[in-house]
Amino acid sequence: GESVGLHLPTLSVQEGDNSIINCAYSNSASDYFIWYKQESGKGPQFIIDIRSNMDKRQGQRVTVLLNKTVKHLSLQIAATQPGDSAVYFCAERGGSYIPTFGRGTSLIVHP
Amino acid sequence: EPEVTQTPSHQVTQMGQEVILRCVPISNHLYFYWYRQILGQKVEFLVSFYNNEISEKSEIFDDQFSVERPDGSNFTLKIRSTKLEDSAMYFCASSESPAITYEQYFGPGTRLTVT
Repeated sequence: GESVGLHLPTLSVQEGDNSIINCAYSNSASDYFIWYKQESGKGPQFIIDIRSNMDKRQGQRVTVLLNKTVKHLSLQIAATQPGDSAVYFCAERGGSYIPTFGRGTSLIVHP
Repeated sequence: EPEVTQTPSHQVTQMGQEVILRCVPISNHLYFYWYRQILGQKVEFLVSFYNNEISEKSEIFDDQFSVERPDGSNFTLKIRSTKLEDSAMYFCASSESPAITYEQYFGPGTRLTVT
């Protein structure tokens, strides 16, 4: 079946570095993608989204890149801070308002 | 900043017992959702609710599950006869109309432990 997944389960970076978290999706009908952040003991928190008619979208310190050719999504975090330590999920939607989540990547930021 | 709240934060129950998980969505939101996350696994959609009825549900949401909006503020998930495999984090979420935004706001979750 269709699935959304992540390449790396854990990413460790130094404070101040840029972080890149990757996600592969297989549903070619997906037209909307979302990145969520989940801190320990909390629910997922919306970070940024992108529609399939775009290939890049920027937020505050975050950038999402979408490559539909290879069905790849990435989240770039600039100047990573200890407060960015969390699990990051990508999710996709295709024909429904309900997101399908990937497993998540744990980002660990070392001071 | 408005937020979704959930109670209790942790619920321990015996297999076969009924549990009710409670959520207070953001006050001006009209769409409500329940998700679950088994430890170490993906967040999974259970059900969405709008205008006092279920709008979408997943295969997980079988006859053992039900949702209700008993008043103007609460949104509940009931599991009639819990099974060991129901042990998970349950997240409530709410949103404005998807025609306006797809952004869903999640609560902190209820950890359900079935023994």
